[in-house]
Amino acid sequence: AQTVTQSQPEMSVQEAETVTLSCTYDTSESNYYLFWYKQPPSRQMILVIRQEAYKQQNATENRFSVNFQKAAKSFSLKISDSQLGDTAMYFCAFMENSNSGYALNFGKGTSLLVTP
Amino acid sequence: DVKVTQSSRYLVKRTGEKVFLECVQDMDHENMFWYRQDPGLGLRLIYFSYDVKMKEKGDIPEGYSVSREKKERFSLILESASTNQTSMYLCASSSIFGQPQHFGDGTRLSIL
Repeated sequence: AQTVTQSQPEMSVQEAETVTLSCTYDTSESNYYLFWYKQPPSRQMILVIRQEAYKQQNATENRFSVNFQKAAKSFSLKISDSQLGDTAMYFCAFMENSNSGYALNFGKGTSLLVTP
Repeated sequence: DVKVTQSSRYLVKRTGEKVFLECVQDMDHENMFWYRQDPGLGLRLIYFSYDVKMKEKGDIPEGYSVSREKKERFSLILESASTNQTSMYLCASSSIFGQPQHFGDGTRLSIL
């Protein structure tokens, strides 16, 4: 069963604007990690941001920040001052210590298009 | 920087062939993974390995096997390729729990 849900298959934003990508997940664990990965047309999966579940403070990496709501099991990604190079597929992913080792559970992705 | 190298970017094979996809990482990571990526389905775990000669099935192992004879190398094997195995295959590696996985560039495999 899919444990990571990205409800927006496609989104579009104008250059310099702010966009928020949604992600919800399901787990009964208390110790887990959340990630956002970016996959541009070149196909290389690039780590955008990482969040530790036991930390209440939202992670931030330059123009990228998250809104982590542990009780609601929500982990959205905010991109500020969008740039053309942000055009990519974005995947939310979840890691817990399970029968699948340290594997990532991925959402189905959100395709983001940044327009001039 | 961690480097994960997949042997081919594009590969075309015929139905029934035995296919090998190779992956090498240079950061001495214990854990290695093979994912399959299909449009609208995200990435799905095929197999993973947490040590040399150790392997575990992921969510979709049918039709695949793996080999890890050396720590840095993790191979995915399609025993008898079928058209429904046409896909993008991504290899990844990681160290301890909680650390991000590092991905290769992917192999786009077409089975004709």
